[in-house]
Amino acid sequence: AQSVAQPEDQVNVAEGNPLTVKCTYSVSGNPYLFWYVQYPNRGLQFLLKYITGDNLVKGSYGFEAEFNKSQTSFHLKKPSALVSDSALYFCAVRDLQTGANNLFFGTGTRLTVIP
Amino acid sequence: NAGVTQTPKFQVLKTGQSMTLQCAQDMNHNSMYWYRQDPGMGLRLIYYSASEGTTDKGEVPNGYNVSRLNKREFSLRLESAAPSQTSVYFCASSEFGGLTEAFFGQGTRLTVV
Repeated sequence: AQSVAQPEDQVNVAEGNPLTVKCTYSVSGNPYLFWYVQYPNRGLQFLLKYITGDNLVKGSYGFEAEFNKSQTSFHLKKPSALVSDSALYFCAVRDLQTGANNLFFGTGTRLTVIP
Repeated sequence: NAGVTQTPKFQVLKTGQSMTLQCAQDMNHNSMYWYRQDPGMGLRLIYYSASEGTTDKGEVPNGYNVSRLNKREFSLRLESAAPSQTSVYFCASSEFGGLTEAFFGQGTRLTVV
């Protein structure tokens, strides 16, 4: 069975500092991994994805994520946080082996960037 | 380019009432989805449609039905609403299922009293 864990409900970081939002996954085959962001009263917006290739993936708004197969992790990072990055972040996974035609989402991490 | 459009944005229902949530996408995507979002639960898949003419159950399909009316439209019906169905509902679409990123509508906030 596929699953995604976001171990932190809340992450606080000072503006200008680097940020990390953690994600670990469990799949039976090779994963497709995604990060989405949700601003208040809005739908989710795609940030980046990992399918294959380079383990460091760059996405929108200066975000990047590192795929680590041995640790089954896909942490979201940004070198310098902005107040406008404050939002709810979701990690999601699709398991290629099961062929399931959908994404499984984590429970979300609320990021607050403190001015 | 509107993307994914959901209607209505807000709705209050009494227990036992029925309603249909509408969703339309203008990106010519093959796959469409209905999720519900509850505090501390993340997003859970209710139903999805891999392509026009097909629908499949997701994680939490009980109490819901769907119709893929055509390639653009995917509706979600609550036949007899229950307070447990109070949630925020999101429709999404993607070009090729889980292989490509999904685009989400703005959501429908449903309260069942």
